[in-house]
Amino acid sequence: NAGVTQTPKFQVLKTGQSMTLQCAQDMNHEYMSWYRQDPGMGLRLIHYSVGAGITDQGEVPNGYNVSRSTTEDFPLRLLSAAPSQTSVYFCATVPGQGKGYGYTFGSGTRLTVV
Amino acid sequence: QQPVQSPQAVILREGEDAVINCSSSKALYSVHWYRQKHGEAPVFLMILLKGGEQMRHEKISASFNEKKQQSSLYLTASQLSYSGTYFCGIPTGNQFYFGTGTSLTVIP
Repeated sequence: NAGVTQTPKFQVLKTGQSMTLQCAQDMNHEYMSWYRQDPGMGLRLIHYSVGAGITDQGEVPNGYNVSRSTTEDFPLRLLSAAPSQTSVYFCATVPGQGKGYGYTFGSGTRLTVV
Repeated sequence: QQPVQSPQAVILREGEDAVINCSSSKALYSVHWYRQKHGEAPVFLMILLKGGEQMRHEKISASFNEKKQQSSLYLTASQLSYSGTYFCGIPTGNQFYFGTGTSLTVIP
C-alpha cells in the first residue's frame, strides 16, 4: 500500500498562475482533507470531503477549489496564485470522521508563489 | 475553534519528563495527538475517546478530562527521538482542528 500520495513535492508559481495539487489514497478512506501549514499558524483546514461527490469548506477556503469524483482522489486547485498562498500543503485522510481512527498524512507539497 | 496548547516550546535533557496540555473551548468527545518532525508530515500517536482509558505510545501517555475540556500528553524519560512538534487535534462535526502546537527539543 502506498498510503497517501501527494504530487508534486515542490512547486514555484508566479502570481496569477493556476495549478492543481494532487492527492491520491489507496486505503479506501471515506474522509479526505487538505491543510495548509504556515510558521506559527499550525495546520489550518482548507477543504474536506466525507465521500465521493461531497465536498465542503474548512477554515481557510478562499482561493482554493476541490472536487471528489472518486474515493481515491482529492485534488486541490489554486485558481489564481497569490504570495499569501506560499505554504506547505498536506492532504490527510481517515476511514471516517468520528470513527476512532487517526489521520494519515501525505508527505506534503511545498509551494512558493513569487 | 483551534485548541490552545501549552507550553509553546520546551527544551529537555534526555531522561527528563514533560507535559503538554491541550485546551478546547468546545465540548470534547475525542482528542488526537500527533508528532511532526522537522520537514516531515505529522504522524498519528494516539486517540483518546470520551469515557475511554488512558492511552500509551511507547513511553508517551495521554489523559482526557472531559469536564475541563482538556487533554494532556505525558512524555516520560524522554529520548532524543522525541524531538519534534506535538499537535493535539479535535473533531468538531465533520471538521477537524489541530492545536497551536508545542515544539519539544530533547538534548543529550
